[in-house]
Amino acid sequence: DTEVTQTPKHLVMGMTNKKSLKCEQHMGHRAMYWYKQKAKKPPELMFVYSYEKLSINESVPSRFSPECPNSSLLNLHLHALQPEDSALYLCASSQRVPGQGEGNEQFFGPGTRLTVL
Amino acid sequence: SQQGEEDPQALSIQEGENATMNCSYKTSINNLQWYRQNSGRGLVHLILIRSNEREKHSGRLRVTLDTSKKSSSLLITASRAADTASYFCATGPAGNMLTFGGGTRLMVKP
Repeated sequence: DTEVTQTPKHLVMGMTNKKSLKCEQHMGHRAMYWYKQKAKKPPELMFVYSYEKLSINESVPSRFSPECPNSSLLNLHLHALQPEDSALYLCASSQRVPGQGEGNEQFFGPGTRLTVL
Repeated sequence: SQQGEEDPQALSIQEGENATMNCSYKTSINNLQWYRQNSGRGLVHLILIRSNEREKHSGRLRVTLDTSKKSSSLLITASRAADTASYFCATGPAGNMLTFGGGTRLMVKP
């Protein structure tokens, strides 16, 4: 299985809602990532989990809360979001963790299209 | 933060023609990767070139890397309508941290 899955595909939420995005991989990868991508822009790194521990937080507002329940799952909990948080949220995984030897490819999920009203 | 800059930002060609995209970056790198993204979907890894490599091929793709100029190019030969997508270069200093360039939107007309 060389696939990263993400649910839901689309999510519409109000500014007072609490929702969660889910990501799953069964490739035995040790690093998992959350990216945010606005229209016609490149992905921007939000969080990195290495061996199920949060290793990098790119100064993301606390209304985004990541969680890694186990080595295959990655969640992103959303609370009190703003309309400007509307974007495509991408999850990715890689075999090696950052800083562990040479870079290797990241496998991306199809993303969750989030709209905040 | 965005390390790589790509040009052109948009490219429109006819099927069968070659497409060339360029990427420039600012700091020293361990490797450079190219990804493709179909509209509104996830990214797909195309090719990785290490800092000690100058050229790499994969099917219809040819990537070059010039570390002295801090630049890379992606050539897609004999393009097809299915190649229509956005193409991103991503640079990695130590480890697997990737910083993506601005991307080139390629349209291949049948």
